[in-house]
Amino acid sequence: QSVLTQPPSASGTPGQRVTISCSGSSSNIGSSYVYWYQHLPGTAPKLLIYGNNQRPSGVPDRFSGSKSGTSASLAISGLRSEDEADYYCAAWDDSLSGYVFGTGTKVSVL
Amino acid sequence: EVQLVESGGGLAKPGGSLRLSCAASGFSFSSYNMNWVRQAPGKGLEWVSSISSSSDYIFYTDSVKGRFTISRDNAKNSLYLQMNSLRAEDTAVYYCARDLTGLRLFNWGQGTLVTVSS
Repeated sequence: QSVLTQPPSASGTPGQRVTISCSGSSSNIGSSYVYWYQHLPGTAPKLLIYGNNQRPSGVPDRFSGSKSGTSASLAISGLRSEDEADYYCAAWDDSLSGYVFGTGTKVSVL
Repeated sequence: EVQLVESGGGLAKPGGSLRLSCAASGFSFSSYNMNWVRQAPGKGLEWVSSISSSSDYIFYTDSVKGRFTISRDNAKNSLYLQMNSLRAEDTAVYYCARDLTGLRLFNWGQGTLVTVSS
């Protein structure tokens, strides 16, 4: 059972903005950087956000991350059909001495 | 081009063993921390284990401690996961992934399927 909680699903129409939340605790999000990954079924996951709000080279600026206290969020603006995927937050957990993923959110483009 | 290619997956019986390998190319393997991550059918991503560049630091998720062993051979540019005492709940696609400095799990392989069933 994951220690990071995300909503199971989120959706929007093309062009809309979608936000995904990630709730943790002081031992993970509250004390570590947050990462976000995009995973399309049958493919390798992709790092979208590191260091709470930084984008690796090549990730569109439509994706943005933020963190406040023990929660974080990923925003996708200008939603596109190719954004349909599963999204996971993640962080190091000091209590577990391990990396933890969120429960995952499936984003649908209506 | 960075490439990570997993192998060694397959069918194993409960209580059995498998050894996964990850062949790395396109970068200086010995300089980077490496990881194993898995995804069970219909479930989310789960981090399994990490190993530092020189094998000084090793971490495991609680559910595999005492059963799985991560290792690496920097001379062979290879990462391994020895899986013993396998359980049905270990059934998953196993990915190897490379960390960059500050960028956890930046590069991923395509995964190898492990099925534990009698």
